[in-house]
Amino acid sequence: GEDVEQSLFLSVREGDSSVINCTYTDSSSTYLYWYKQEPGAGLQLLTYIFSNMDMKQDQRLTVLLNKKDKHLSLRIADTQTGDSAIYFCADQVLTSGTYKYIFGTGTRLKVLA
Amino acid sequence: EPEVTQTPSHQVTQMGQEVILRCVPISNHLYFYWYRQILGQKVEFLVSFYNNEISEKSEIFDDQFSVERPDGSNFTLKIRSTKLEDSAMYFCASVGQNTEAFFGQGTRLTVV
Repeated sequence: GEDVEQSLFLSVREGDSSVINCTYTDSSSTYLYWYKQEPGAGLQLLTYIFSNMDMKQDQRLTVLLNKKDKHLSLRIADTQTGDSAIYFCADQVLTSGTYKYIFGTGTRLKVLA
Repeated sequence: EPEVTQTPSHQVTQMGQEVILRCVPISNHLYFYWYRQILGQKVEFLVSFYNNEISEKSEIFDDQFSVERPDGSNFTLKIRSTKLEDSAMYFCASVGQNTEAFFGQGTRLTVV
């Protein structure tokens, strides 16, 4: 079945780069998303990548997609304390003629000052 | 920037009561979704809705749950008889032609 996996925790020092990894199983993925969730808040769309791309850069964010290995990563350059949050990878799959979004467990990023 | 709006932001209800969670999707979007996130757990798919009918639902979405789009703008999730385990954050999402999913800020439901 469809599944998305992420490591649970990541701790980095302020100013360093953070790399959050995600693996997925579905072969019919169309888009893959990264969402940020701050404590008690909703899901903020950070960026997404179309499945036929292998890289997308958006300011401090770089998304890398290895479709062969079904591996997605989010790199945050110059990580700031305000980047501390839970980051969810989500896989958009086409099922029964409509799209569905499968979320990973979320990676809790802690940025140390 | 367009956004999905959910109300209320927090709802406390007694076990066995009915609740209705409301969502105003982005206008001209076609696909609508409800997801839930039990505290500290994954964001789980509940139901998708297209063309005024349910297109897919998960095992969680049993007979206690229902969705409707009564007036062409609001999209509601009703839980008929709430249980303690229904306590969660409920997210509404809408998707347009370009398939980018926009999520609301969520409604935190607490069943006591």
